[in-house]
Amino acid sequence: EVQLVESGGDLVQPGRSLRLSCTASGFTFGDYAMSWVRQAPGKGLEWVGFIRSKAYAGTTEYAASVKGRFTISRDDSKSIAYLQMNSLKTEDTGFYYCSRVNVVAERTDQDYWGQGTLVTVSS
Amino acid sequence: SYVLTQPPSVSVAPGKTARITCGRKNIGDKSVHWYQQKPGQAPVLVVYDDSDRPSGIPERISGSNSGDTATLTISGVEAGDEADYYCQVWDSTHEPYVVFGGGTKLTVL
Repeated sequence: EVQLVESGGDLVQPGRSLRLSCTASGFTFGDYAMSWVRQAPGKGLEWVGFIRSKAYAGTTEYAASVKGRFTISRDDSKSIAYLQMNSLKTEDTGFYYCSRVNVVAERTDQDYWGQGTLVTVSS
Repeated sequence: SYVLTQPPSVSVAPGKTARITCGRKNIGDKSVHWYQQKPGQAPVLVVYDDSDRPSGIPERISGSNSGDTATLTISGVEAGDEADYYCQVWDSTHEPYVVFGGGTKLTVL
C-alpha cells in the first residue's frame, strides 16, 4: 500500500525557516518525481514545486511565489522528500501536502497524496 | 500567466448530472487532471489525462477535453460527491510548470 506521511509543520515567526519531510512507503521511491502542494486556510490548491527522479537528474522546479526561498530535495535511501522553507512569510501559512507524480506510467498526475502538515507563520 | 478558470460553485439535485468546467485557451492541447477534495481531507485523483479514471473511481465520473474547455462530468450525483473539485495542467514549455484551477464547490441539493 502506497503511503505518504508529512511531518515538520509548526508555528514559526516571519523570516524564520522550517523543514518539512515526506516519508514514503509501499513503492520504489527513487523511480518517481515528488511534488509539494499547499493550501491556505479556506483557499484553493497551490503548486509549490517538484523534484524529478534521479533518472532525470533529480532537478527541481518551483512556483514563482517560493522560488529562491524554498528548496526541495530527496533522500532515496530513506524514501524521504524534503521541503526546506526559508525567509517564511505570513502568506506561506497553510497545509502542505506531498504527492507522488506518476512519471513511471509516463503521466504527470499526482496519484497519491499525504494527509498534509500545517505550517503557521505568525509573530 | 497560465490561468485555469473554474466556476466557484455548481449545484445539482441528487440523481442528476453535474458538469464542472475548466477553461483556458487551447486547453485541449494539454492533458488535464481532476482532483476531488472533501473537507478536512487530502485531494484525491479522480480523472487523469483528460478522461482516464484511477482504479476505484466509479464510471459515473468522467472527463473530456476539447478546444478551450475541459469538463468533469458526474452522473447520478450522490450526496457523497459533495466536495471541491480542482483541475490541473502540467506544462513544461513555460513557467509555471504546474497550475491548478481555482476550484469548484459541488453542492448536492
